[in-house]
Amino acid sequence: AQRVTQPEKLLSVFKGAPVELKCNYSYSGSPELFWYVQYSRQRLQLLLRHISRESIKGFTADLNKGETSFHLKKPFAQEEDSAMYYCALKDSGAGSYQLTFGKGTKLSVIP
Amino acid sequence: EAGVVQSPRYKIIEKKQPVAFWCNPISGHNTLYWYLQNLGQGPELLIRYENEEAVDDSQLPKDRFSAERLKGVDSTLKIQPAELGDSAVYLCASSPRDGPSSYNEQFFGPGTRLTVL
Repeated sequence: AQRVTQPEKLLSVFKGAPVELKCNYSYSGSPELFWYVQYSRQRLQLLLRHISRESIKGFTADLNKGETSFHLKKPFAQEEDSAMYYCALKDSGAGSYQLTFGKGTKLSVIP
Repeated sequence: EAGVVQSPRYKIIEKKQPVAFWCNPISGHNTLYWYLQNLGQGPELLIRYENEEAVDDSQLPKDRFSAERLKGVDSTLKIQPAELGDSAVYLCASSPRDGPSSYNEQFFGPGTRLTVL
């Protein structure tokens, strides 16, 4: 069974400090990993996916298959980054659609 | 574009009462998902539709939950009767048709927050 673990329920950092939101996964196949974000009073939305290897709003995430991790990083946190962040996993195999979400980490950026 | 629309946004009912949630996906999106999100947890898939067909309902508690998407557009999720443990946020999401080797982003609605007293 696939599982996503986000060990921190809450992460508080000062503005301008580096941020790392941890995500570990358990899956025997070839996974696709995603980060979703939910800002206050807004709906859940996709932040980035590992296959795109992109940087969104200054955030990056690298899939480390050896450590089964997909940590989200940003070098300098901004107040507008305060939100709930969810890591999610999907089987990349044909015909697979189910997203498995972690429990989420609440990021609070202190001015 | 309004995005995925859900109603009601909030619902408070007494246990053993029925309740229904409605979702209208983004126009043209063939795939529709219903998720359950308990407090402090991530979303968990209940059911997935491809057009009007429920292609994955393995995690839907069928003794009290039902869903339909009769014309392949909007969808209704029903609970009858509701129990205290059903208090949660019910999310609807939609995406264009998935391909075998590609991922189509899921767009989420605002959710319906259900409180069962």
